Amino acid sequence: DIQMTQSPSTLSASVGDRVTITCRASQSISGSLAWYQQKPGRAPTLLIYETSTLETEVPSRFDGSGFGTEFTLTISSLQPDDFATYYCQQYTNSSWTFGQGTKVEIK
Amino acid sequence: QVQLVESGGGVVQPGRSLTLSCAASGFIFSNYGMQWVRQAPGKGLEWVAIIWFDGSDKYYADSVKGRCTISRDSSENTLHLEMNNLRAEDTAVYYCARDNHGGTLDLWGQGTLVTVSA
Repeated sequence: DIQMTQSPSTLSASVGDRVTITCRASQSISGSLAWYQQKPGRAPTLLIYETSTLETEVPSRFDGSGFGTEFTLTISSLQPDDFATYYCQQYTNSSWTFGQGTKVEIK
Repeated sequence: QVQLVESGGGVVQPGRSLTLSCAASGFIFSNYGMQWVRQAPGKGLEWVAIIWFDGSDKYYADSVKGRCTISRDSSENTLHLEMNNLRAEDTAVYYCARDNHGGTLDLWGQGTLVTVSA
């Protein structure tokens, strides 16, 4: 099975900061990677799919990049609504795996 | 509106069975694959199972393979997850989600809590 490893596990940042989260796959997944945001007590929501395509209505401050085994999610200017936990997910070869999550906290 | 609503969760003893349901509305259910994802208390997301849009193929996580069956009723716009021989480690919020863009989950239900405890 393909394993997904996110770093860091927790990130402390301030409003306006540029934030980057990394997701590494244990083997190549080409560009089959999505990012989700989850707030406490709520279901996850899709932010980005196919590595870099923003889901409808997702603000442009979110950006995804990468290919193969290394991927990043960047928030260009952190907003109060962005404090949440972020998960990457790969979907290849009849296999679906999430990363362990990165919690973005207020500094 | 476009939504997924799960039901069927509750407290169940180890070794017993439970079936979760997910009612879809506001979109053409038979056009989409569907998945179940779970989240243990305080933990991350874990993929559980997927069923193709037409029910022709199904895949399961190793942690539930042989104990869970995913199914769908397109006449009722409903997804199901039958869980047997439940274990304490199956305790989680179970989400159903719509599979779009070739594997990503663009619509989620609110979740239903399953607690496995004696």
